[in-house]
Amino acid sequence: QVQVVESGGGVVQPGRSLRLSCAASGFSFSNFGMHWVRQAPGKGLEWVAVISHDGNNKFYGDSVKGRFTISRDNSKNMVYLQMNTLRTEDTAVYYCAKDASGFSYGDYWGQGTLVTVSS
Amino acid sequence: DIQMTQSPSTLSASVGDRVTITCRASQSISTSLAWYQQKPGKAPKLLIYDASSLDSGVPSRFSGSGSATEFTLTISSLQPDDFATYYCQQYNTYCTFGPGTTLDFK
Repeated sequence: QVQVVESGGGVVQPGRSLRLSCAASGFSFSNFGMHWVRQAPGKGLEWVAVISHDGNNKFYGDSVKGRFTISRDNSKNMVYLQMNTLRTEDTAVYYCAKDASGFSYGDYWGQGTLVTVSS
Repeated sequence: DIQMTQSPSTLSASVGDRVTITCRASQSISTSLAWYQQKPGKAPKLLIYDASSLDSGVPSRFSGSGSATEFTLTISSLQPDDFATYYCQQYNTYCTFGPGTTLDFK
């Protein structure tokens, strides 16, 4: 069965960096894009980034562009989100989701990892 | 950027009711729209994709319709498990989520 498991969350000070990881299994990982989506406490869902199946195409939401970088390692079935220059407003649960096909919707989601940006 | 709105923001209903949630896009997105259900502390669950296609295992009381800029999610007969927050998401141009509709007990 398809599984997506995020890790790497924690408490970090404003201006610092953090890298999230997402381990995927149960499907042909190298054939599918992957998304990161976040949800601030008590708020709605916000799309963060997507990466193509081969890692050659990456797109970002406006609020993270230039600060966050999505990447993947198809040999390890892993997706990463490098988050730099973190702000208090980046505090959220970060979800990793498998793209259904060709940069569309997320059909399988992990349970999320909490990132808290606070001094 | 494509903006998404949802109405109502909160909907109070009872078991057995038929409910409809509306999602509007700021420009045409064809049928590139998904609906998700989310319960507190849980990940979103895909219900509908391509505006009207039911995801595998989703009960048939859920249905989606619409195209271009206006879409609806209908639950034909509310069950206790359906009280949750519902989000629409466009994927015509990158991705944008609607603000959500919370369905609670009347």
